Amino acid sequence: DADVTQTPRNRITKTGKRIMLECSQTKGHDRMYWYRQDPGLGLRLIYYSFDVKDINKGEISDGYSVSRQAQAKFSLSLESAIPNQTALYFCATSALGWQPQHFGDGTRLSIL
Amino acid sequence: SQQGEEDPQALSIQEGENATMNCSYKTSINNLQWYRQNSGRGLVHLILIRSNEREKHSGRLRVTLDTSKKSSSLLITASRAADTASYFCATEQGAQKLVFGQGTRLTINP
Repeated sequence: DADVTQTPRNRITKTGKRIMLECSQTKGHDRMYWYRQDPGLGLRLIYYSFDVKDINKGEISDGYSVSRQAQAKFSLSLESAIPNQTALYFCATSALGWQPQHFGDGTRLSIL
Repeated sequence: SQQGEEDPQALSIQEGENATMNCSYKTSINNLQWYRQNSGRGLVHLILIRSNEREKHSGRLRVTLDTSKKSSSLLITASRAADTASYFCATEQGAQKLVFGQGTRLTINP
């Protein structure tokens, strides 16, 4: 079983819809991250959480929100999806902020 | 903004040759990490080098760090078809989060 699991793996939806992407981990890490990857670009940080009570905005948080339901679960929501949010979304975890991150296999999101 | 800038953006070599990728960054760092991404998959951590280290090895991987030039290189020796992937550098600047570069797309031809 994967250490970091993202659901769904693929999603196609329409402009204006609310979407939730889910991430769960079995690594026991406190730190969790949401990234967005666009073609030809690196990863950009959307939100990150150092523990259940700590949520921080990343580089590109506008249009997104998150919820840290438990140490193992971190969800990303798009309240009203727009086409330029079409991208590959990754969840990651780490034991400490400076240590290597462990990634899920991503959610490919298409907004029509 | 992207902290790490990889060079080249794409690299194509023959199997068995060595592949070198470079990463430059702009501000002081605590450590620099290299990741690999196979098509359609998440990133996988390869190696971490701290700011007070100059060189690090892991199997066929060799990473160097020159903090005076704010640059790092990743060398893959004796490349294999399975090394075909995108490679990203990421810097940690003290805020306990990583900033990723745009990546180098490496293709190993049989």
